[in-house]
Amino acid sequence: AQSVTQPDIHITVSEGASLELRCNYSYGATPYLFWYVQSPGQGLQLLLKYFSGDTLVQGIKGFEAEFKRSQSSFNLRKPSVHWSDAAEYFCAVGEGSWGKLQFGAGTQVVVTP
Amino acid sequence: KAGVTQTPRYLIKTRGQQVTLSCSPISGHRSVSWYQQTPGQGLQFLFEYFSETQRNKGNFPGRFSGRQFSNSRSEMNVSTLELGDSALYLCASSPHRGAENTGELFFGEGSRLTVL
Repeated sequence: AQSVTQPDIHITVSEGASLELRCNYSYGATPYLFWYVQSPGQGLQLLLKYFSGDTLVQGIKGFEAEFKRSQSSFNLRKPSVHWSDAAEYFCAVGEGSWGKLQFGAGTQVVVTP
Repeated sequence: KAGVTQTPRYLIKTRGQQVTLSCSPISGHRSVSWYQQTPGQGLQFLFEYFSETQRNKGNFPGRFSGRQFSNSRSEMNVSTLELGDSALYLCASSPHRGAENTGELFFGEGSRLTVL
């Protein structure tokens, strides 16, 4: 069965510091991988996605992610976080249909001054 | 373009009642998906609709149902509500097919259901 694991439930990071959020997946074929962000009281917004090709993917808001097949990972990074990056981040894998995603449990990011 | 619109945003029901939630996708989007978000179970896939047909269904009991209309608007219904149905219900739309589809789902802000 497919699964998505985000090992970190909660991360606190100082403003200006770097951020890395971990995501591991279990999927038989080449996965479609996504990172979404959810701010309080809001829906989810796509940060970036990986389907194929270059394993380093650039997204919006200065985020990037690297697909590592050997490690079954798709970790999200940002070199320097801003207070507005405080939100919950979800890794997701596509399950053969555009509208059907399996999400990880999410990582809550708190940004301190 | 207007975003995905979900109504109502908040509602309170009692156990045993039923509820209908509505979702208007982005203009031109033909695929609509529904997700349930709870603190304990996280984000779980409910249904996917395209061209008024249910394409996929998640692992939820038959009390959860949905439909899509010819204008792509969608509704979901939960009958005989239970306390555990309290959740944020999110709707997402996408173009579904063709060059417009980049794989991105566009989410609404959700309908927060509280069951007492």
